[in-house]
Amino acid sequence: DAGVTQSPTHLIKTRGQQVTLRCSPISGHKSVSWYQQVLGQGPQFIFQYYEKEERGRGNFPDRFSARQFPNYSSELNVNALLLGDSALYLCASSLGDSPLGYTEAFFGQGTRLTVV
Amino acid sequence: LAKTTQPISMDSYEGQEVNITCSHNNIATNDYITWYQQFPSQGPRFIIQGYKTKVTNEVASLFIPADRKSSTLSLPRVSLSDTAVYYCLVGEAYGQNFVFGPGTRLSVLP
Repeated sequence: DAGVTQSPTHLIKTRGQQVTLRCSPISGHKSVSWYQQVLGQGPQFIFQYYEKEERGRGNFPDRFSARQFPNYSSELNVNALLLGDSALYLCASSLGDSPLGYTEAFFGQGTRLTVV
Repeated sequence: LAKTTQPISMDSYEGQEVNITCSHNNIATNDYITWYQQFPSQGPRFIIQGYKTKVTNEVASLFIPADRKSSTLSLPRVSLSDTAVYYCLVGEAYGQNFVFGPGTRLSVLP
């Protein structure tokens, strides 16, 4: 069975541009969460979606948005990119409605975004 | 929001047991303790989760004292492939507030 898949794996964008990152959860998982990981730091929570509804939002500006589709896949959008948005963006899926709670969360390999 | 404190780095040798302790002094009644492992350029991987006393699975043990203000991840007989960053997280089972700290960078030496 396939794990969590993210696309693209690497991306280079210019300041001010917009980017869309995609995530397909493990089959049967209804929860998808997004994290930003800057080099040398732990992942920081951005969003969680469960059954297509936003369940949680971290301390990120409104330039960050996300959505979940009927098949439970998800997209993370970032507008007006800044150099500081350069990071590894991770997606995690889980059965339960908590991002890292009672049920185990499975992470994808991430999308490495570089803003130049 | 329970904050966790872990050693920044640890060194060990192959075959040794490694214990990584995490402090969470303001853990709440409904909070669980979860550990994740992360290799470079990969997403974190779930290791173990517990609420109190001791939990053991095929890869690790988690020891939680009665006051739950700390927890210890125990990795038996580590190998070179256990070199990774280990994160301790504390949060409600059905909550949103899970915060990754900088983690503990474990280096296993031959």
